[in-house]
Amino acid sequence: QSALTQPASVSGSPGQSITISCTGTSSDVGGYSYVSWYQQHPGKAPKLMISDVSNRPSGVSNRFSGSKSGNTASLTISGLQAEDEADYYCSSYTSSSTLVFGGGTKLTVL
Amino acid sequence: EVQLVESGGGLVQPGRSLRLSCTTSGFTFGDYAMSWFRQAPGKGLEWVGFIRTKAYGGTTEYAASVKGRFTISRDDSKSIAYLQMNSLKTEDTAVYYCSRLLIVVVTADIWGQGTMVTVSS
Repeated sequence: QSALTQPASVSGSPGQSITISCTGTSSDVGGYSYVSWYQQHPGKAPKLMISDVSNRPSGVSNRFSGSKSGNTASLTISGLQAEDEADYYCSSYTSSSTLVFGGGTKLTVL
Repeated sequence: EVQLVESGGGLVQPGRSLRLSCTTSGFTFGDYAMSWFRQAPGKGLEWVGFIRTKAYGGTTEYAASVKGRFTISRDDSKSIAYLQMNSLKTEDTAVYYCSRLLIVVVTADIWGQGTMVTVSS
């Protein structure tokens, strides 16, 4: 199973919005509504930000939102804040009953 | 408070074995699938495998990179999940995380802090 494709890096200024894409195939992202997004700060464990494409767990800021079109899922962060600077990973369930991750995207808040 | 704590990591020689434990508290362990992930130094997250609940047969799924070498098990009476790693390779060097898995949406909602495994001679 090949990894999902994410941009290596994105950046934005405080208050702006950014979108991180996550591209897979019809065997993973496109075939299921089981795309999750995780935030990871340096030296810390990942934190769930979005589950099943667009659901935000309790406690996660409503500045984070998720969507999907075809084989590509997206994470949008609005009103960028300094603490949003982190690595972001998407993951998807696959037709082989496995999970696959994207390579990760480093978000820099300018 | 839901907590997951990994233990058992350390330095091990190639070809040897190691067992990691994920001790949990704050939720009904038997009601949840459990998953293991890893992250090599400076690299991204990689899924290792998961184990379903006893209600779903306690069956397991593994990444191709570890299938046949790693085994996930669970002890519902102790609320602990295990990762048995055999025939370790240098490329297995990573921080290993366990997580609670919401199997309906295949999402890892709570993660442990991780334990480092270094495979080196």
